[in-house]
Amino acid sequence: TQLLEQSPQFLSIQEGENLTVYCNSSSVFSSLQWYRQEPGEGPVLLVTVVTGGEVKKLKRLTFQFGDARKDSSLHITAAQPGDTGLYLCAIDNYGQNFVFGPGTRLSVLP
Amino acid sequence: KAGVTQTPRYLIKTRGQQVTLSCSPISGHRSVSWYQQTPGQGLQFLFEYFSETQRNKGNFPGRFSGRQFSNSRSEMNVSTLELGDSALYLCASSLTGFQPQHFGDGTRLSIL
Repeated sequence: TQLLEQSPQFLSIQEGENLTVYCNSSSVFSSLQWYRQEPGEGPVLLVTVVTGGEVKKLKRLTFQFGDARKDSSLHITAAQPGDTGLYLCAIDNYGQNFVFGPGTRLSVLP
Repeated sequence: KAGVTQTPRYLIKTRGQQVTLSCSPISGHRSVSWYQQTPGQGLQFLFEYFSETQRNKGNFPGRFSGRQFSNSRSEMNVSTLELGDSALYLCASSLTGFQPQHFGDGTRLSIL
């Protein structure tokens, strides 16, 4: 089973600051998803990245897939309190199931 | 389009009891996966059903079981509940199981 690590585990910042969170795998993967989970709700898919070196933008969120297909990053510009939540990355475990990282818990203070 | 629906949202049980949780996937989705989420272990895969058959299984004891009906609705059952089973149980659906998951809001199970 592939393993995923995410860093940092916790992040507390002020509104308007920028931040980057990371997701690293023990081995190469074919695709990676980023989810955001808010308290009391299930994870919601933000993006899927497939191609090494790929960069995708979703408003103030920028997702990057590493060239070696073993890592990914999520950058948030000018964070807002509405960005608060648990950010999870997930990969396809050789077609058997999706493996999720432990998550980065982000708190954006007004 | 209705999302994934899980019932009940909250459940309180005592040790030794059993519990059944229900999940209705997005219409047309045939794959349903179940996950256990705890603060210490994160999101852990329980099992996946496709066309009424268990296709993949995670590393959980046999007390955890599930099934899927012909309309793709799924149930999971946990027997002989233990304190450590307290968790948020999430259900996710996708068309065939090889696409990103659409999650329900979960059932929060508390064991006293």
